Amino acid sequence: NAGVTQTPKFQVLKTGQSMTLQCAQDMNHEYMSWYRQDPGMGLRLIHYSVGAGITDQGEVPNGYNVSRSTTEDFPLRLLSAAPSQTSVYFCASSYSAGEREQYFGPGTRLTVT
Amino acid sequence: DQQVKQNSPSLSVQEGRISILNCDYTNSMFDYFLWYKKYPAEGPTFLISISSIKDKNEDGRFTVFLNKSAKHLSLHIVPSQPGDSAVYFCGGNTGKLIFGQGTTLQVKP
Repeated sequence: NAGVTQTPKFQVLKTGQSMTLQCAQDMNHEYMSWYRQDPGMGLRLIHYSVGAGITDQGEVPNGYNVSRSTTEDFPLRLLSAAPSQTSVYFCASSYSAGEREQYFGPGTRLTVT
Repeated sequence: DQQVKQNSPSLSVQEGRISILNCDYTNSMFDYFLWYKKYPAEGPTFLISISSIKDKNEDGRFTVFLNKSAKHLSLHIVPSQPGDSAVYFCGGNTGKLIFGQGTTLQVKP
């Protein structure tokens, strides 16, 4: 099992550009989520999904789009990047929303100039 | 509105002593609480959890205490080891997992 994989590991964008952060898991987990980590702010939930075709907003969803067409993949789209979106992004998954242990990917470090 | 708060950004303890990390919450609907540990350049990993109906859970050197009336939980690490140096995130779950700001623990040899 590869677990939770995220690509790319690093990315630099210019303001206004769009991009997609990829997240995939091979554990047949129904629940997937995206977090961003910022100094002094901790881990903040962006969007989450309880299964294919179902997504919902977290604490800081503005500026981000998600879809869940398959169980394995949960991409995060930045529609028009802003410097405030400079952060480290983590994807996580678990069997269900109520599962205590979520498995996190290694993260994507994004810089928006 | 921050539902989970960790008010101490950092903590430094001597190897062998006790580390106590604190967490406060505002949402009474959390089903359970968790602690995650994060090393630099890695994703967070699950450490220990406690149900909202319990007041203590122990796993080896790690014990989590829950005080529902005060909406406060704490993680005790005894004895602390240099390998415990990491960022610790407290979280609560209501069907989605909400974390606090994190506390950086440094254990000095």
